[in-house]
Amino acid sequence: AQKVTQAQTEISVVEKEDVTLDCVYETRDTTYYLFWYKQPPSGELVFLIRRNSFDEQNEISGRYSWNFQKSTSSFNFTITASQVVDSAVYFCALSEARNQGGKLIFGQGTELSVKP
Amino acid sequence: KAGVTQTPRYLIKTRGQQVTLSCSPISGHRSVSWYQQTPGQGLQFLFEYFSETQRNKGNFPGRFSGRQFSNSRSEMNVSTLELGDSALYLCASSPGNRPNTGELFFGEGSRLTVL
Repeated sequence: AQKVTQAQTEISVVEKEDVTLDCVYETRDTTYYLFWYKQPPSGELVFLIRRNSFDEQNEISGRYSWNFQKSTSSFNFTITASQVVDSAVYFCALSEARNQGGKLIFGQGTELSVKP
Repeated sequence: KAGVTQTPRYLIKTRGQQVTLSCSPISGHRSVSWYQQTPGQGLQFLFEYFSETQRNKGNFPGRFSGRQFSNSRSEMNVSTLELGDSALYLCASSPGNRPNTGELFFGEGSRLTVL
């Protein structure tokens, strides 16, 4: 069965702190994709990153970085030097290749609050 | 490039009524997926349409249905509304071609309140 777990429901940090959002997934498929999406108060989910199951390279994009470890089935997201604009709900999601892409399994989300 | 457009943005219905929500995907995208978001259940997949055919389906009762038109626009319908159907309904589009990596582009959603 496919499942995505984001154990942290809410995180509150002060601006400029680093913060890591955890994501653990379950799947029986060997080919799958992992995602992080950001949901600001407006409601629209904004795509942040995609990793496929064959690419365990970590990625850095500005203040954002992602750590994908198949051995622990984790795909964690770190924001360095957080800013107030980072406040949002962040979702980790899984897509299995056999579903041809339209079906994402989402975690419950982590609400990040960055205080000035 | 225009994004995913959902209408209406907000609506209020009463129990037993039915509702139809509309989604216009990004131009050129042939896949449209629907998701229900509630505080208790989070984001749950409803169904996906590709080239007017339902390609994937989630675990929702038959009261939830959808369709896709030849121009890729999609509608979803919920009949015999229940209080628990109150939610944000999100539509997402993607090119839908193989290999499909699953990157979806979401609309702002239709917020349904059932009284």
